[in-house]
Amino acid sequence: AQRVTQPEKLLSVFKGAPVELKCNYSYSGSPELFWYVQYSRQRLQLLLRHISRESIKGFTADLNKGETSFHLKKPFAQEEDSAMYYCALSRGWGKLQFGAGTQVVVTP
Amino acid sequence: EAGVTQFPSHSVIEKGQTVTLRCDPISGHDNLYWYRRVMGKEIKFLLHFVKESKQDESGMPNNRFLAERTGGTYSTLKVQPAELEDSGVYFCASSQEFHSSYEQYFGPGTRLTVT
Repeated sequence: AQRVTQPEKLLSVFKGAPVELKCNYSYSGSPELFWYVQYSRQRLQLLLRHISRESIKGFTADLNKGETSFHLKKPFAQEEDSAMYYCALSRGWGKLQFGAGTQVVVTP
Repeated sequence: EAGVTQFPSHSVIEKGQTVTLRCDPISGHDNLYWYRRVMGKEIKFLLHFVKESKQDESGMPNNRFLAERTGGTYSTLKVQPAELEDSGVYFCASSQEFHSSYEQYFGPGTRLTVT
């Protein structure tokens, strides 16, 4: 069965410290993977997608097919990174399957 | 550009009543998706429209839920009769293409509370 797993419900880090959000997936085909973010009182929005291989707001994510992972990383967390982060897998025709989400809290 | 809009932002109804949620996608986006997040659970796919046609409604929980997209513009999601377990946040999203790598733009969500 297709599944997206985010093992951490809450991640609390200090400003300036590295942050890594874990995401593992199970999927029989070639996955399209995304990280979506929801800041306080804002709508869900795309942070980055694996196909673009880009860095957004200092975040990067590498697709590791061997480990079936798509972890999100940032070397130096900022207070404005506090948000809910969702890993998502696209299952054809664009429909997204989301992980449970990880709440990130960056403290000064 | 206004983005995806949803109405109402919050609805409180009693069990057994009917509620209709509305979503206006970004102009020109043929693809419209409905998702929902019930308390403590993941955001789950409900259905996908391409223009006015239902491409995939595999996520619809039961026949108390009816989605329409007449004319291929805005969409409505009706819950009739509502049950307690229908409480949650209903999100709508739209995208220009259905290809799996395309970004989906989400609305702010409608918080439905069934009492």
